Amino acid sequence: AQTVTQSQPEMSVQEAETVTLSCTYDTSESDYYLFWYKQPPSRQMILVIRQEAYKQQNATENRFSVNFQKAAKSFSLKISDSQLGDAAMYFCAYRSVRTNAGKSTFGDGTTLTVKP
Amino acid sequence: GAVVSQHPSWVICKSGTSVKIECRSLDFQATTMFWYRQFPKQSLMLMATSNEGSKATYEQGVEKDKFLINHASLTLSTLTVTSAHPEDSSFYICSARELGDSGGPLYEQYFGPGTRLTVT
Repeated sequence: AQTVTQSQPEMSVQEAETVTLSCTYDTSESDYYLFWYKQPPSRQMILVIRQEAYKQQNATENRFSVNFQKAAKSFSLKISDSQLGDAAMYFCAYRSVRTNAGKSTFGDGTTLTVKP
Repeated sequence: GAVVSQHPSWVICKSGTSVKIECRSLDFQATTMFWYRQFPKQSLMLMATSNEGSKATYEQGVEKDKFLINHASLTLSTLTVTSAHPEDSSFYICSARELGDSGGPLYEQYFGPGTRLTVT
């Protein structure tokens, strides 16, 4: 079974600075998808960014980018120019292409605090 | 964008009673809905996957007789917590997959806002 590990329970960043959230995963598959979700205090899950494992190019969405290291099974999220609204819990998720009926496995989350 | 609603947003019930949580896809038809449970500051744990018109598939360790899931239409799935106990208190989140998407595993997963259940 796949596992997703987020080793940083909490992180903090100064407004306008850059922060990187870590995520590693364990899988024997070669094709899969990875996601970062944001869960603000409202508890509404929001998709931040996704990466297809067969793509070597790192995904980017505005201030959010990932560093996908397939061999190392690492998928970190970089948030540039942090804003107060970025404060939330962030979850890394793995989704198999072939097994588990397309279900997602979530990491334990990292709580990000943004300091003004 | 696709919107998923949940009702109620929070509920308090007495131990031994049953409570039903509704999950609706408001502007799209959902072929598959997922039910998650989340404890404070913890991850989302998948409880079950439901497909319209068929029985739900429960994850290992989830009691199907306690957590009844019905996906009677393409826009509505319900989770009923039967004979609730204080340990069932949690945050329950549903998410939906849109009918007619690519069909592959890279589908968009739309989440509801969650329901906070407190059992006294």
